[in-house]
Parts: sequence; structure tokens; C-alpha cells
Amino acid sequence: DAGITQSPRYKITETGRQVTLMCHQTWSHSYMFWYRQDLGHGLRLIYYSAAADITDKGEVPDGYVVSRSKTENFPLTLESATRSQTSVYFCASSEQGYEQYFGPGTRLTVT
Amino acid sequence: AQSVTQPDIHITVSEGASLELRCNYSYGATPYLFWYVQSPGQGLQLLLKYFSGDTLVQGIKGFEAEFKRSQSSFNLRKPSVHWSDAAEYFCAVGEAGGSYIPTFGRGTSLIVHP
Repeated sequence: DAGITQSPRYKITETGRQVTLMCHQTWSHSYMFWYRQDLGHGLRLIYYSAAADITDKGEVPDGYVVSRSKTENFPLTLESATRSQTSVYFCASSEQGYEQYFGPGTRLTVT
Repeated sequence: AQSVTQPDIHITVSEGASLELRCNYSYGATPYLFWYVQSPGQGLQLLLKYFSGDTLVQGIKGFEAEFKRSQSSFNLRKPSVHWSDAAEYFCAVGEAGGSYIPTFGRGTSLIVHP
């Protein structure tokens, strides 16, 4: 099916563990983004990618790592999860600055 | 740097009443403007967008928005709200011909009373 998918949809992990959130899009959009959404903060950009093998930091990149070896995939890794990283994470894609298409989100809880 | 302000954190309306959600932006160049809606537990969905041309744009679900350059505003309107419109609404601004990273407002939560 065409679209943008995220997995897992829900994840509970412990402090200090490594977690990877997956994002996959079928449109071959050049741009992909990772946001976190927290009450009182709206959407905050973590990382973005303009093309395969090109990534750049957003507003809140600390504690996160991304890679983009293929155009359609943009995984986000929390190298050592902390409680402050409990959040809802959204992946999005877009083509050349036009509207973004968002995934359904991953709700991550760090205990 | 570009910024987006949604002055109302919450808006409460009765079903059938008209709606206007405010969005103001700070930007020096020609902006690309967007409104997104987020229903509970879901991702954001594009309602409408403005790039150029007619300043009154129509979107999905009966929404419209008007770009007013003199007021740096892009307010979202709907003539008659339905209970299913209860959601979070986000305004976003992008840069025409520049960075492809949009800036989002903090969002406005719409509550609809029966």
C-alpha cells in the first residue's frame, strides 16, 4: 500500500536501552523528517534528511541518531533511552518543500 | 528566523456554529502556508495549503483559509462545525525557494459541544 508507515506503533523500554523506530514511505519523496510531540511543546523537529545519505539536525537532536541509506527508509535510534525521551514520535515525508505527509506515530514510553 | 503563532491554545464552539482559528507568521519572504489537522491518536493530515495566487484557499472537510499579507495572517475558517471536527489544528509556514523545513505553530485544540 502506498503511504508512510511507522513501526512499532507502541513501545515500552527501560532507561539505558537502545531503541530504533522505523519509518518507511512509498512515494520516493526526497525529504523525510522526525518529530517528537509533547504536551505544551507542539511538534519539535529532531532530524531531517534531504536525500539518501544526507541528514541534518533539527531543533532537538541530542540523544538521537538517524541514517538514510535508502530513499524510502529513515530509522531513528535512541542510543541510550532516557525518561525525557518518553514521547510520541512522528515521521513525515515531503517533496521539495511542499506539504508533508505524516505517519501514524509511535508512542514510546521509557521506564 | 521564521515563526508561527497560534494565539489560542483551546477553542470551544457549539456544533453548527462557525469557526475561525487564528494563525500569524513572521517571515520576510514569500511564505508557503499550511493547515494540518490531528485527530486523537493519529498523525497530522493536510487540510489546505497556500503557495500563490488566490488568497482564499479551499481545503478538505469544508475548511477554507485566507492569506492576508498585510496582517501576516492565515486564518482557518469553517461556516458550520461538526462534532467530528474536534481535533488539534496546526498552522505551518515554509519558505518559498529556500529551506524546505516548515515551522509549525504550537497548535489549537478545538472542542465541539453538542
